[in-house]
Amino acid sequence: EDKVVQSPLSLVVHEGDTVTLNCSYEVTNFRSLLWYKQEKKAPTFLFMLTSSGIEKKSGRLSSILDKKELSSILNITATQTGDSAIYLCAVEADAGNMLTFGGGTRLMVKP
Amino acid sequence: DAGVIQSPRHEVTEMGQEVTLRCKPISGHNSLFWYRQTMMRGLELLIYFNNNVPIDDSGMPEDRFSAKMPNASFSTLKIQPSEPRDSAVYFCASSFGGRGAEQYFGPGTRLTVT
Repeated sequence: EDKVVQSPLSLVVHEGDTVTLNCSYEVTNFRSLLWYKQEKKAPTFLFMLTSSGIEKKSGRLSSILDKKELSSILNITATQTGDSAIYLCAVEADAGNMLTFGGGTRLMVKP
Repeated sequence: DAGVIQSPRHEVTEMGQEVTLRCKPISGHNSLFWYRQTMMRGLELLIYFNNNVPIDDSGMPEDRFSAKMPNASFSTLKIQPSEPRDSAVYFCASSFGGRGAEQYFGPGTRLTVT
């Protein structure tokens, strides 16, 4: 059974701090890993990673995949209160676009 | 562009009643997914359609749950009879297979079964 585990479960930081969120997976025939941000409503797409060692970056957020370690990290620098959300990691394995989600990391950024 | 559309946004019903959740995927997308999200279990895939055909329904909890996709622009998830443990947020998501696995989520339906 495919498995995706995220850590930490929750995190409280202050504005300006840098955070690193972790995602590890055990899946058959890995195809891609995705990060989503979920605030009050539906998850919104952040990154999709398919190649090991190549960093994806968007503003203060960046993510990298390590296929050897079966893991990915999501970094957020200079955090802002608007970064407060649940961050979900999901892995696509085999064919067919099906995603297995991790349990999420709940990030709270205090002013 | 309209994203994924779900209705209703909130549903409160009594145990034993039938519940029908509706989803309109993004036009042109050929894959549709139903998810359930709870605090205890996180986000779980219930069923996945590709080109209107159910591909994997192994996540459907039990026979009380059924899903249909009669055409490319409409899908339903039905729970009959509903139970309090079905209370959750149900998300519909769609994607275009050729672009990889990026799924776009609808706003969700918050279901409360009393």
